[in-house]
Amino acid sequence: EVQLQQSGPEVGRPGSSVKISCKASGYTFTDYVMNWVKQSPGQGLEWIGWIDPEYGSTDYAEKFKKKATLTADTSSSTAYIQLSSLTSEDTATYFCVCRDGFYWGQGVMVTVSS
Amino acid sequence: DIQMTQSPASLSASLGETVTIECLASEDIYSNLAWYQQKPGKSPQLLIYDASSLQDGVPSRFSGSESGTQYSLEINSLQSEDAATYFCQQHHDYPYTFGAGTKLELK
Repeated sequence: EVQLQQSGPEVGRPGSSVKISCKASGYTFTDYVMNWVKQSPGQGLEWIGWIDPEYGSTDYAEKFKKKATLTADTSSSTAYIQLSSLTSEDTATYFCVCRDGFYWGQGVMVTVSS
Repeated sequence: DIQMTQSPASLSASLGETVTIECLASEDIYSNLAWYQQKPGKSPQLLIYDASSLQDGVPSRFSGSESGTQYSLEINSLQSEDAATYFCQQHHDYPYTFGAGTKLELK
């Protein structure tokens, strides 16, 4: 059974960074790219970007190019997203998603607060 | 970027009714469309992929269709557990884009 287990909720101060993890199991980690999606409170869904765990290659939506950094550790089958220079606009739930939407993590709530 | 225009934004229907939700793509996405159901506090769950293929375990009262760049999700014989928000997503080209969502309420 494919599972994407994400880390716990995060609180970050304005201007700081947070790093969220997504541990994959039940499949070969390098078989699928990992996508990341943002959902702001009460809002819709935004695609952030993807990483190919096998090669480390990445692609980002334009608005997230300076905000998000995607990495992956094949030894632990874990993908990461780091969000930098946090502002209130970054308060949201962040999901990892693989196989074009077949599998989603449970989401991580990030709250930016001083 | 490909724009996905989803309608209606909200919908109220009775048990047993049939409802249709639509998404219009700004360009041809070659059936690379998925429909999701999301309940409060949960991650989206895949219902339909490739415009009309039913994901394993999803009740057959859910169905997807397409006509040109217009994609539709139909839910037959509404059940109480169908109250949720529904999203479409194109995965033809990056950046992947989503519809704004349709909140379905059961009367």
